[in-house]
Amino acid sequence: DIQMTQSPSSLSASVGDRVTITCRASQSISTYLNWYQHKPGKAPKLLIYAASSLQSGVPSRFSGSGSGTDFTLTISSLHPEDFATYFCQQSYVFPLLTFGGGTKVEIK
Amino acid sequence: EVQLVESGGGLVQPGGSLRLSCAASGFTFSSYEMNWVRQAPGKGLEWVSYISSSGSTIYYGDSVKGRFTISRDNAKNSLYLQMNSLRAEDTAVYYCARRAYTILHYFDYWGQGTLVTVSS
Repeated sequence: DIQMTQSPSSLSASVGDRVTITCRASQSISTYLNWYQHKPGKAPKLLIYAASSLQSGVPSRFSGSGSGTDFTLTISSLHPEDFATYFCQQSYVFPLLTFGGGTKVEIK
Repeated sequence: EVQLVESGGGLVQPGGSLRLSCAASGFTFSSYEMNWVRQAPGKGLEWVSYISSSGSTIYYGDSVKGRFTISRDNAKNSLYLQMNSLRAEDTAVYYCARRAYTILHYFDYWGQGTLVTVSS
């Protein structure tokens, strides 16, 4: 299975900060990388698919980049509603889809 | 509006069984492939099972193969997960998730989840 490693596992940030989350795959996955936002008790929400494509309705302050093994999710200016946990997911090997361990973004 | 609503979770003893349901609305359910994904307490997400739009193709993760059965009823807009021989490590929130209508495999809509606790 392809292992997905996210870093950091948690971070503290303030409203207005630029936040960067990293996801690394154990082998090359081209751009088959997706990002989700998850808040407690809520349904996870798709943010970015194919490494850099913004899902419809997602604010433009979210962006994704990378290819091969290294990927980044960036929030250009943190809003109060962005405090959540973020997961990456590889879709290079189907059906063995795997997720990163998550990055919890907390209020500083 | 696309909605996925899971139900059927609860407390069950090790070795027991449980059947989860996912009620879909707001889209043509029979056109979409569906998945179950779970999250154990304090852990990341784990893909559990996949079913094609017609139900003819099914896959399972290694940790549930032989114990869980995914199915769907397109006439009832419903997805199911029959869980047998449950273990403590199956304790998790279970989500149903829709595969986006694309050649890529990502989940464009999820439910809010249902909690399964396996404990004596």
